[in-house]
Amino acid sequence: DIQMTQSPSSLSASVGDRVTFTCQASQDINYYLNWYQQRPGKAPNLLIYDASNLTTGVPSRFSGSGFGTVFSFTISGVQPEDSATYYCQQYEDLPITFGQGTKLEIK
Amino acid sequence: EVKLLESGGGLVQPGGSLRLSCAASGFTFGSYALSWVRQAPGKGLEWVSGISGRGGRIHYTDSVKGRFTISRDNSKETLYLEMNSLRAEDTAMYYCAKSPGMIVVRLGWFDPWGPGTLVTVSS
Repeated sequence: DIQMTQSPSSLSASVGDRVTFTCQASQDINYYLNWYQQRPGKAPNLLIYDASNLTTGVPSRFSGSGFGTVFSFTISGVQPEDSATYYCQQYEDLPITFGQGTKLEIK
Repeated sequence: EVKLLESGGGLVQPGGSLRLSCAASGFTFGSYALSWVRQAPGKGLEWVSGISGRGGRIHYTDSVKGRFTISRDNSKETLYLEMNSLRAEDTAMYYCAKSPGMIVVRLGWFDPWGPGTLVTVSS
């Protein structure tokens, strides 16, 4: 199975900060990497697909980049509603695997 | 609007069975692969199983092989997960989720997800 490792596990930021998370795959996954936001008690919500494509309706402060084994996810100007856990997910091979998540807290 | 709604969760004893359903609307059901993804309390996301648009291709994660069966009824626009020999470690919120294409080999991303149905395995 392809292992996905996210860092950091948690992060605290102030409104307006720029934050970046990373996701590392245990093998080359091309650009087959997606990012989700999950607020407490809610289902995950797709933000970025294929490493860098923003889902329709998602604010432009969210962005993603990377290829191969190392990927990053950035929020440029954190807002209070961004308090959530963020997961990466690969689909290069089955089984689909997710990272363990990065929990973002807003100060 | 594309919608998914799971049902069928509940409390079941270890070794018991449960059948989850996921009712879909707002898209051409048989043209898209679907998956079940679960999340144990306080834990991360785990993909459980996926099925192709026409139901001919199915994959499972190793921990549920031989115990869980995914299926779909395209005439009823409903996805199912039959769960047998349930264990305490199967306790989780179970989500159904739609893929952007029909095939299972490249499931892609999951969008949207249903709100989930909670399965608790306990004596």
